[in-house]
Amino acid sequence: GENVEQHPSTLSVQEGDSAVIKCTYSDSASNYFPWYKQELGKGPQLIIDIRSNVGEKKDQRIAVTLNKTAKHFSLHITETQPEDSAVYFCAASISFGNEKLTFGTGTRLTIIP
Amino acid sequence: DVKVTQSSRYLVKRTGEKVFLECVQDMDHENMFWYRQDPGLGLRLIYFSYDVKMKEKGDIPEGYSVSREKKERFSLILESASTNQTSMYLCASSRPPGSDQPQHFGDGTRLSIL
Repeated sequence: GENVEQHPSTLSVQEGDSAVIKCTYSDSASNYFPWYKQELGKGPQLIIDIRSNVGEKKDQRIAVTLNKTAKHFSLHITETQPEDSAVYFCAASISFGNEKLTFGTGTRLTIIP
Repeated sequence: DVKVTQSSRYLVKRTGEKVFLECVQDMDHENMFWYRQDPGLGLRLIYFSYDVKMKEKGDIPEGYSVSREKKERFSLILESASTNQTSMYLCASSRPPGSDQPQHFGDGTRLSIL
């Protein structure tokens, strides 16, 4: 089955700097890659996603890049703000919203004011 | 907005008890999921259901069962709770593939088995 590895497990960034979280996946059939943000006491919320026919997608300060050949994808947050502090999860699946999303182990991002 | 509601935020039960975790969604989603979340392990899929009375095993179904009698409700059952089932449990729902809708999560139930 699919295996998703996520790094780093913790990340501290000065406010205003950029943060990058990286994930690799094992199943070349995977074609959908969402990123979720989980704030304290809340469930994960989708912040951005990308499909395999696209190499990059941007939404304001957040961007995701995908390299299908290398089987890795990354989350980039620019101009970080204190409210970006949270746990971030990457995931992969072989079809959009399908029965099996395989998640990475999470990255705890702390923004230092 | 999609709302996935888990009936309890915190639950404390004893070893050997039968435990029910309830989840309700209000967006008429076909798919529903149960995950458990443990530090350093991320989210792992326990069971999912793509229709009423249908269920599929996820990656870690041992010690759990599920029930989906109505489209909006998906229950996770611990038949005989054990301490290694102490965890955060998350429910999610979505439309089927091709509908361009992601999985939406509830806020979780933190379950402690003593």
